[in-house]
Amino acid sequence: GIQVEQSPPDLILQEGANSTLRCNFSDSVNNLQWFHQNPWGQLINLFYIPSGTKQNGRLSATTVATERYSLLYISSSQTTDSGVYFCAVGNTGGFKTIFGAGTRLFVKA
Amino acid sequence: DSGVTQTPKHLITATGQRVTLRCSPRSGDLSVYWYQQSLDQGLQFLIQYYNGEERAKGNILERFSAQQFPDLHSELNLSSLELGDSALYFCASSVEIYNEQFFGPGTRLTVL
Repeated sequence: GIQVEQSPPDLILQEGANSTLRCNFSDSVNNLQWFHQNPWGQLINLFYIPSGTKQNGRLSATTVATERYSLLYISSSQTTDSGVYFCAVGNTGGFKTIFGAGTRLFVKA
Repeated sequence: DSGVTQTPKHLITATGQRVTLRCSPRSGDLSVYWYQQSLDQGLQFLIQYYNGEERAKGNILERFSAQQFPDLHSELNLSSLELGDSALYFCASSVEIYNEQFFGPGTRLTVL
């Protein structure tokens, strides 16, 4: 089945710093989402981005489907950005959703 | 608030017991998904329903079963519970099959 790899696994930032999180996938996908799981366990939708580029405030994402990767950019990080960021993909021809292992982010004040 | 509701929020039970988790999708969504999140396995896809029919199965144990009812709510039944079934169980919904998924707050199951 399709493999999803996220990097880095852990990231510590000083408040105000920028970062890039990466999601690689091993096969064609028909959908891709980025989520933020906050310290209370809630999974919050960030982007639905099977291809192209989107921006929402300090966050933006780019998916290059032909090269099988997606990037999540966080600019001017804040302590409330702390948590785990997940990439999830749905493989072409199937209906399963596969999550990566996540990137655990801690933003220091 | 995603619009997806799950009950109960917390559940504590003993090994060998059976429990039912309930999910109500967002208004208008036809697809419902169930996921398990445990410390050692991460977020695992269990099963998907679309308009009452099962569409995909993931790593769902034979002791677990689910269904989606005519009013589109869904239930996940877990039986013969084991300590390793302790986890956070999420339900998600989407309009169709390949659309953006929205997650509920989860049910935290503790098996003692």
